[in-house]
Amino acid sequence: DGGITQSPKYLFRKEGQNVTLSCEQNLNHDAMYWYRQDPGQGLRLIYYSQIVNDFQKGDIAEGYSVSREKKESFPLTVTSAQKNPTAFYLCASSIRPSGSSYNEQFFGPGTRLTVL
Amino acid sequence: AQSVAQPEDQVNVAEGNPLTVKCTYSVSGNPYLFWYVQYPNRGLQFLLKYITGDNLVKGSYGFEAEFNKSQTSFHLKKPSALVSDSALYFCAVRDTTSGTYKYIFGTGTRLKVLA
Repeated sequence: DGGITQSPKYLFRKEGQNVTLSCEQNLNHDAMYWYRQDPGQGLRLIYYSQIVNDFQKGDIAEGYSVSREKKESFPLTVTSAQKNPTAFYLCASSIRPSGSSYNEQFFGPGTRLTVL
Repeated sequence: AQSVAQPEDQVNVAEGNPLTVKCTYSVSGNPYLFWYVQYPNRGLQFLLKYITGDNLVKGSYGFEAEFNKSQTSFHLKKPSALVSDSALYFCAVRDTTSGTYKYIFGTGTRLKVLA
């Protein structure tokens, strides 16, 4: 059964702690993305990766870090430097973008992070 | 800058009536436009996309969207709404500036279909 999995579904963090959100896909997609969703603000791009061992900052990368050591995996670490991390985090993937590419994204079920 | 706007935070429609969720865009070059749906505490699901060709695009669950180049719009439509269509809908556009192949999302429109 192909798709994207995210774990955990719910995550609680104490202030000052780093936490890592998992994202795995078996769709053989090259590109992967992390978004943050807050009420009334839509989706904001944190980081994205178009190929293994390469990634770029999105619009709100401060306080977050990622790695892309394997094609299937794109974990996101929320560091203590992120001042307001409570949000719903979504991972997505797509076929590698190109000049004429128009492929849609596939989304995981999300992780809801709450800072206590 | 490229952008997507969804001017309505919420749309209410009676079951069985037609529905429209609005989206306008601003891009340089050809627009690649998408609609997604999100149910509570779930990820987004792809509904349909416009690349080129026919201005009326048909997608999943009976939804369709009309591309209007002169009005830079890509409104989502359905002839007869169902209560189960109640969800959050996002319009998105592929960002093709500066070689950064990102996707820009609107802020979302909550659709409520009333029985």
